[in-house]
Amino acid sequence: KAGVTQTPRYLIKTRGQQVTLSCSPISGHRSVSWYQQTPGQGLQFLFEYFSETQRNKGNFPGRFSGRQFSNSRSEMNVSTLELGDSALYLCASSPGDGSSYEQYFGPGTRLTVT
Amino acid sequence: SQQGEEDPQALSIQEGENATMNCSYKTSINNLQWYRQNSGRGLVHLILIRSNEREKHSGRLRVTLDTSKKSSSLLITASRAADTASYFCATELFQGAQKLVFGQGTRLTINP
Repeated sequence: KAGVTQTPRYLIKTRGQQVTLSCSPISGHRSVSWYQQTPGQGLQFLFEYFSETQRNKGNFPGRFSGRQFSNSRSEMNVSTLELGDSALYLCASSPGDGSSYEQYFGPGTRLTVT
Repeated sequence: SQQGEEDPQALSIQEGENATMNCSYKTSINNLQWYRQNSGRGLVHLILIRSNEREKHSGRLRVTLDTSKKSSSLLITASRAADTASYFCATELFQGAQKLVFGQGTRLTINP
């Protein structure tokens, strides 16, 4: 099976802009989770989608949003970018139905906000 | 906030030696997982141990879990240069949470 793919891999934006990141899960996986990784805060959970519904949410402001499509692909959007949003954004997929708890991560999108 | 604290933050050993990393967490968990990350890339799942298990093996990896002390350890035996990476423990708080809470990680360097 193909692994989790994320696009784009690198992105440079300026403060105030918005950005959309995309994640394609492993075929058959219905759960997609998003994480933010920064040197200061480490890996932090953003949200999880399952069958097009947000099922879990972390402690991030409303500028961070996401959605999931019927084919399980997911997008996350960050509006009004701040310098502190510079990070590696990772998505992970899993079956989501309790059959397996391991999460499979994509290579990440490195976002730089200037 | 981070659920897990990892110790040490950095570890440097010679190839062929064993490496041990420790993880402590704060609340009850459903399972604990270990992941590896190479140079700011994606995470690779290594091993999962459920809350009712005490030890698990996978190849050169051995994981222990002590729920009374809320701690886990990852042992890598006969280390290789390719094991150089950051290692993270992650806890899933309850079944089906699909939300992993990560520790800060241990940076492991294997010297040839």
